[in-house]
Amino acid sequence: QVTLKESGPGILQPSQTLSLTCSFSGFSLSTYGMCVGWIRQSSGKGLEWLANIWWNDDKYYNPSLKNRLTISKDTSNNQAFLKITNMDTADTATYYCARIDYYVMDAWGQGASVTVSS
Amino acid sequence: DVVLTQTPSTLSATIGQSVSISCRSSQSLLDSAGNTYLYWYLQRPGQSPQLLIYLVSNLGSGVPNRFSGSGSGTDFTLKISGVEAEDLGVYYCMQATHAPYTFGAGTKLELK
Repeated sequence: QVTLKESGPGILQPSQTLSLTCSFSGFSLSTYGMCVGWIRQSSGKGLEWLANIWWNDDKYYNPSLKNRLTISKDTSNNQAFLKITNMDTADTATYYCARIDYYVMDAWGQGASVTVSS
Repeated sequence: DVVLTQTPSTLSATIGQSVSISCRSSQSLLDSAGNTYLYWYLQRPGQSPQLLIYLVSNLGSGVPNRFSGSGSGTDFTLKISGVEAEDLGVYYCMQATHAPYTFGAGTKLELK
């Protein structure tokens, strides 16, 4: 059974860096074709794809946020990470990680709510 | 970025009714290898999205066969043949042919 769970700070102030962790089970990020992606959902912008990291360490970012995003993984501990710098109130959203099995995004975590407020 | 336009934005249905949701893309989603990376997800209230259909017409694991997907190029449709109470929520199409991946704005299915 594939499960993913996001964890993060909950609340942070403008200009701070958001660090999110995706802890998963039921698959390995060292398996050919496997990928973990990050997606966020806000009331204002709907669902927005942020970044992917593949089994071979290839990384892809949404160009609209590329300069602010860093995705990484710890294969041995079944975790993936996302950092977003210079957070703003517009970045308030629920952040999801999802498994992508050879181009099929087939399992999502429960989401981590992040509020940016001074 | 590819824009996915879903219609209608809200759909009212009775239990047992068959309904369809349209997803139109601003660009063809057929890639040079002949693949079309178009997906459908359902987000029930308070839950994360779950996969219904992948690659236009393939049923996700454990998804009831009352769900079906069709289409090509820029026009795609999700059909529910006989709505059940558990089908209520917001339906999203997503494309992964062109970077960045993009989602439609969603179609809310509610009971009439």
